[in-house]
Parts: sequence; C-alpha cells; structure tokens
Amino acid sequence: AQSVTQLGSHVSVSEGALVLLRCNYSSSVPPYLFWYVQYPNQGLQLLLKYTSAATLVKGINGFEAEFKKSETSFHLTKPSAHMSDAAEYFCAVRPNTGNQFYFGTGTSLTVIP
Amino acid sequence: DTAVSQTPKYLVTQMGNDKSIKCEQNLGHDTMYWYKQDSKKFLKIMFSYNNKELIINETVPNRFSPKSPDKAHLNLHINSLELGDSAVYFCASSQGGPYGYTFGSGTRLTVV
Repeated sequence: AQSVTQLGSHVSVSEGALVLLRCNYSSSVPPYLFWYVQYPNQGLQLLLKYTSAATLVKGINGFEAEFKKSETSFHLTKPSAHMSDAAEYFCAVRPNTGNQFYFGTGTSLTVIP
Repeated sequence: DTAVSQTPKYLVTQMGNDKSIKCEQNLGHDTMYWYKQDSKKFLKIMFSYNNKELIINETVPNRFSPKSPDKAHLNLHINSLELGDSAVYFCASSQGGPYGYTFGSGTRLTVV
C-alpha cells in the first residue's frame, strides 16, 4: 500500500522567509503527486500536481514543488512567505492505477509577522 | 457555480439521532468520495463510488451508509450518531488518472 510522510506537523516561518514543506512517498513506480492547501474552516484546494511531465511544478500563489525520484520526495517551496499562506498543507499520492488518493497527515504552516 | 456542493455546512445533533449529508457535483466526474477529517486534521477515506458503483469501502462502522442515486450525487447517512462521529466530513470528486480531487467545503458535524 502507498504511504505518504510529511515531516513536521507544524512549521513556522517569518514573513518573507523561505517556505519548505516536506513530503516523501513510498512507491516503486512514481505515482501522481499533489499538494493541497486548506485554509481555516474551508475545504481543500489544489495547489499543484506532478503527472510525469516536468519535475519542477509551479502552482498557485507562488508555490512550486520538485519531484525527485531518487529521493521519493515532492517537497513544496515558496521563496517568500506571506501572512495569507498560513494554512494546513497536505501532500497526496495517487498510484498510476486505481481511484484512491493517499493523504499525508498534514503540515500546519504559521507565518510570523 | 459551485463544483462540489455539500449540505448542510453545519450539523449539530444529539446522540442517537440519524442524519444525512448530501453531496452533488456538476463537473461530470465519474468518481465521488467521502472523507472524514478529525480534530487533528487527519483525512480518512470512508467510501468511494465510481459511476454509482461502490469501489472503496474502508473500515467504518456500518452505521454509516453511502448512497449514490446517480453519478452526480453521493449522500451519506449516519444512524445512531455517537460522540466520536463529531468531525468534518468532506465530499470530493475526480476524473481519475492524473487529475486531482475537487473537494466540497465540508460539513461540520457536532454530536452532543
């Protein structure tokens, strides 16, 4: 079965600092990879996805993620944090076959003024 | 136009009651899902339907019963509600393959 590991359940950064949220997956075959963001009291919104095209994927709100097969990682970054980035972030994996997603346990991002 | 809509948004009810949550998507997706998000934000899949057929049925109490009258709708009925059922329930839909989920805005269920 697939598993998704998000290192760090809570991450705090200063406004303007680099955001790095880590995600590792377990799969011998690269799956489809996603990052979702959940703002307080809202549903989950797709930030970006990797679907075996370019390994560096750009998403909304200035976020990007790099797929590294050798490290089985798909870390999310943003060069400069904004107060509005404070939210819960979920990494998700979808195998190449089947309909199910596997979500990580989430990382809560706090942005300090 | 809301892509995936859930009703109600908030639901407060007493233990032992029966309640339903409705979900509708207008995206033409074949697959719909129910997820439960607990107080620690952990997302757990409950059910999935593909074109009205149940394809994922995780280990949840049989007090939970999904119903899909057509591929645009997936409802969740919960019998004999318990305190531990308090959570946010999300409906989602997907086209499959490399496409992600589209989530509804959630239903916050509070059992008192």
